[in-house]
Amino acid sequence: QSVLTQAPSASGTPGQRVTISCSGSSSNIGVNTVSWYQQVPGTAPKLLIYSNNQRPSGVPDRFSGSKSGTSASLAISGLQSEDEADYYCAAWDDSLNGVFGGGTKLTVL
Amino acid sequence: EVQMVESGGGLAQPGGSLRLSCVASGFTFSNYAMSWVRQAPGKGLEWVAGISGSGGSRYYADSVKGRCTISRDKSKNTLYLQVNSLRAEDTAIYYCSKDVGTYNDVHFDYWGQGTLVAVSS
Repeated sequence: QSVLTQAPSASGTPGQRVTISCSGSSSNIGVNTVSWYQQVPGTAPKLLIYSNNQRPSGVPDRFSGSKSGTSASLAISGLQSEDEADYYCAAWDDSLNGVFGGGTKLTVL
Repeated sequence: EVQMVESGGGLAQPGGSLRLSCVASGFTFSNYAMSWVRQAPGKGLEWVAGISGSGGSRYYADSVKGRCTISRDKSKNTLYLQVNSLRAEDTAIYYCSKDVGTYNDVHFDYWGQGTLVAVSS
């Protein structure tokens, strides 16, 4: 199982706000920053959020990130059909390795 | 434009070796940490190995420690991953990824298209 814990699935209707959570520990999220990725099946992942809440240029402001203690969250507002994808959180772990969450499959109903 | 192109994947036998390469362009290669991330068929992302911008620090996942070596050649703008003693569980798409900074933060702003490694007899 993955070091970071994510719910395997989430869903929402167009226009809705959806939140995806990521739970870690004091050796990763608790002391290091978190990134979030979007992956459409068959393509490479895309960076959505880094350093907990920073958006790379080109990522819509509908995507936002936050961190509290050993958990982090990705919020998607104004949900669109093209947001249907897999979402992964990641962080550096102080045991000197990178760690990912198991991924959350987002379905737009 | 930032580009990263992986190569070196293919079919390998259990116990064999492969060397993956990733040629990078569009940025100052030595200024950024790099990593290899893999994805087994139908599974999630797994960080495999990382190297600092200078190449002086290297890190490995427990699942590959002792079997993999990550390296970089500044003169060729190329990242490498040598994988030895291949196992069936190494079967995956291997992505080359660029960190946003010099140190390994697992904040990858660019990814290659991936190269498929299949381990089977």
